[in-house]
Amino acid sequence: AQSVTQLDSHVSVSEGTPVLLRCNYSSSYSPSLFWYVQHPNKGLQLLLKYTSAATLVKGINGFEAEFKKSETSFHLTKPSAHMSDAAEYFCVVGSGGSNYKLTFGKGTLLTVNP
Amino acid sequence: AAGVIQSPRHLIKEKRETATLKCYPIPRHDTVYWYQQGPGQDPQFLISFYEKMQSDKGSIPDRFSAQQFSDYHSELNMSSLELGDSALYFCASSLIGTIYFGEGSWLTVV
Repeated sequence: AQSVTQLDSHVSVSEGTPVLLRCNYSSSYSPSLFWYVQHPNKGLQLLLKYTSAATLVKGINGFEAEFKKSETSFHLTKPSAHMSDAAEYFCVVGSGGSNYKLTFGKGTLLTVNP
Repeated sequence: AAGVIQSPRHLIKEKRETATLKCYPIPRHDTVYWYQQGPGQDPQFLISFYEKMQSDKGSIPDRFSAQQFSDYHSELNMSSLELGDSALYFCASSLIGTIYFGEGSWLTVV
């Protein structure tokens, strides 16, 4: 069984300030972890992916995430928020071998204030 | 680069009607997934196919069925539509574990 908990349903930051979106996971297998972003009325775009190589993963648009096994966390960060970062962010765990599937967190809505 | 293509993008149906959504995965991807995302909800897994065979089943109602064809495209068939079926339906495809999503098909049941 696997699950994902996104600790904040809504995060509000000012443009130019750091972003931190928190995610904790549980998985019976060695998981793959993802962050997806969904802009309003749009599809899901892959930001970054962890698959047991480097624990610090760099993604698109300046985002990165650090896998911490001891804390079962995979928090998403960005040094400086941009207005275009305003969107819903989903932390996702993937596992299951031949029945590989994704389990989504509930999402964190990021608001960026001018 | 080619992405996952879904059609139609928007669909309006009446209660008790039938709807069919189509998905064209990224070429050479061997797995197709269907997800349902209700308003303000996270995506819920419906069903997946690996090499044209059903590989896993999630919270898919009995009124829904899906299949993957020889050209790897997939169709999600939804019958006896209910108001609660109104949602964004995502198709996704993967190869070696990274899953890429289409833009989704908006289904509105009135």
